[in-house]
Amino acid sequence: GENVEQHPSTLSVQEGDSAVIKCTYSDSASNYFPWYKQELGKRPQLIIDIRSNVGEKKDQRIAVTLNKTAKHFSLHITETQPEDSAVYFCAAMGGSNYKLTFGKGTLLTVNP
Amino acid sequence: GAGVSQSPSNKVTEKGKDVELRCDPISGHTALYWYRQRLGQGLEFLIYFQGNSAPDKSGLPSDRFSAERTGESVSTLTIQRTQQEDSAVYLCASSSTSGTEQFFGPGTRLTVL
Repeated sequence: GENVEQHPSTLSVQEGDSAVIKCTYSDSASNYFPWYKQELGKRPQLIIDIRSNVGEKKDQRIAVTLNKTAKHFSLHITETQPEDSAVYFCAAMGGSNYKLTFGKGTLLTVNP
Repeated sequence: GAGVSQSPSNKVTEKGKDVELRCDPISGHTALYWYRQRLGQGLEFLIYFQGNSAPDKSGLPSDRFSAERTGESVSTLTIQRTQQEDSAVYLCASSSTSGTEQFFGPGTRLTVL
């Protein structure tokens, strides 16, 4: 089955800096890659997603890149703000077209 | 509109008891999913419903776990003879159809003493 590895497990940056979180996946049939943000005690919320027919997608300060050949995808947050502090999860959806396999998460702390 | 809701938000039970967790998906969403999130871990897939049928139960950890869905709406996850290792947050998600964005509920935090 699909296996998703996520790095780093924790990331601390200064406000205004950029943050990058990287994930690799194992199933070459995977075609959908969402990123979720989970604040403490809250539900995961989708912040951006990408499908395998594009290499990059941007939404304001957030961007995701996908390299299908290398089977990895990354989340980039620019001009970080304290409210970006949360746990971020990457996920991959394989050929099943319904089952998301999640990484273990990255705790991002943005220091004012 | 209303998002995915789950009840109860917290459940404390004694080892060996049965528990039932409820999920109300977004109206009109045909696909429904259950995940388990252990403390400090990622989300672990448990089961997927398309309509009322469950084509994939592969993530259920043991035969003590079961789930059903009625009327393409409410789903219940039942854990029989709970064990301490069942302690986790159980999250439900729904999507308009399979392969589209999954919207999560707030979860049920289960503690087995």
